[in-house]
Amino acid sequence: GQQVMQIPQYQHVQEGEDFTTYCNSSTTLSNIQWYKQRPGGHPVFLIQLVKSGEVKKQKRLTFQFGEAKKNSSLHITATQTTDVGTYFCAGPTNYGQNFVFGPGTRLSVLP
Amino acid sequence: AAGVIQSPRHLIKEKRETATLKCYPIPRHDTVYWYQQGPGQDPQFLISFYEKMQSDKGSIPDRFSAQQFSDYHSELNMSSLELGDSALYFCASSLGGWELAGVSYEQYFGPGTRLTVT
Repeated sequence: GQQVMQIPQYQHVQEGEDFTTYCNSSTTLSNIQWYKQRPGGHPVFLIQLVKSGEVKKQKRLTFQFGEAKKNSSLHITATQTTDVGTYFCAGPTNYGQNFVFGPGTRLSVLP
Repeated sequence: AAGVIQSPRHLIKEKRETATLKCYPIPRHDTVYWYQQGPGQDPQFLISFYEKMQSDKGSIPDRFSAQQFSDYHSELNMSSLELGDSALYFCASSLGGWELAGVSYEQYFGPGTRLTVT
C-alpha cells in the first residue's frame, strides 16, 4: 500500500535558525496536505499543494511539491518558539476517502 | 466559528469493556474521518463516512464499528477493549469527501478523546 515517509523524525533548533522537513511518498500523489500538531493538541490543517512543482508561502513557512508529485517539503525561516510541534504531511488515497499520514517531524525550538 | 466536537474528552475503561466515542462535525460538513493516534505516532486512519455511508475503511479492528447518523454526527463503537486500544481518537470532518480534479477537502480535527484501557 501507499507509504509516506518523513525526515527527520526530530529536529532541535535554536530560535532564529531555519528548519526543513521532507516528505516522500511511495506513489504519486494527487495532492499533499500539511498539518501541525502542538503538544497535547490536535492536527491543524496548514496547506494543500496540488500542482507539480508548486510552491506556496505562508509568512515564514514555505511549502513545495515536487515535480513528480511524490515528495514535498516544508521550510520554516527564522524559527520561533511558537513553531514548536509536530509537522505531518498527508496524502490522499482512494480519491480522498482516506489519508495516509507521514510519521511526522517533531520540532523543538530552544529560546 | 464552530469546530468539531468530540465526547467524551477522556475515557477510562477496563479490558473487555465497551466504549462509544461521539463526534459532531462542523455544521454542513458531510464527511467524517476517524483516526487513532498512539503516543508519539502519526494519526492512523480507521474509517470514513460520506453522506451517512461508509466511504472507506483503514486499519480498524473488527471489534470496532462506526456509523454516521442522519444529523451527520458519528459514533465509534469499540468492544472487547484491549490494552493496546489506549490511544487518542480523533474525529475530523470536511465539506465534501471526494477529490475533485485532484483537490481534496481540508480536514478539521476535533480535540480528540483520550481512551485509557486498564
